[in-house]
Amino acid sequence: DAKTTQPPSMDCAEGRAANLPCNHSTISGNEYVYWYRQIHSQGPQYIIHGLKNNETNEMASLIITEDRKSSTLILPHATLRDTAVYYCIVRVDAGNNRKLIWGLGTSLAVNP
Amino acid sequence: EPEVTQTPSHQVTQMGQEVILRCVPISNHLYFYWYRQILGQKVEFLVSFYNNEISEKSEIFDDQFSVERPDGSNFTLKIRSTKLEDSAMYFCATSGDREETQYFGPGTRLLVL
Repeated sequence: DAKTTQPPSMDCAEGRAANLPCNHSTISGNEYVYWYRQIHSQGPQYIIHGLKNNETNEMASLIITEDRKSSTLILPHATLRDTAVYYCIVRVDAGNNRKLIWGLGTSLAVNP
Repeated sequence: EPEVTQTPSHQVTQMGQEVILRCVPISNHLYFYWYRQILGQKVEFLVSFYNNEISEKSEIFDDQFSVERPDGSNFTLKIRSTKLEDSAMYFCATSGDREETQYFGPGTRLLVL
């Protein structure tokens, strides 16, 4: 089962920041938080990931709480093309194996 | 930017037939994964593959499924005798290292009639 919970849907106005929350209260100390998005039924697109520190790249920022039980993905200036399903994933590490356990994600609608 | 590619993009087959889905990983990537997504449902892990052997497989990945890297470039998923419930999008993902990000291909939409 997924180790994350997300709201099923959110709306955001074009040009505004989109803040997508994620709870992962059972995360272990060495497990990373990953964010992907999926536009229609295309292949999942990697956005960002982090362990403890906040992270930023050209697509988004990731804010992780100090206790690591939740995080927020921030799209600073949402565009219509950011309309997608956003997945917050805790990567499960078991021995030499690394697998992504997906939930249902948040369907983000960016409105004009 | 390097990409994972998958062929075919769409496949329609009759129940009981064999299908082979192909993936070309990003160059120098050594870790390979298959996931599937039934319409309207979650993305599900199927199998991970490294050094020419399966590292881990899910309960979904039964004896009807197999993976191989036949020629050092393509990474394939074979379904020996397809069932109606195998209809789904199948995504290949690859990473350069066990700890690195998994990058996904565009998927193959499989429809079993």
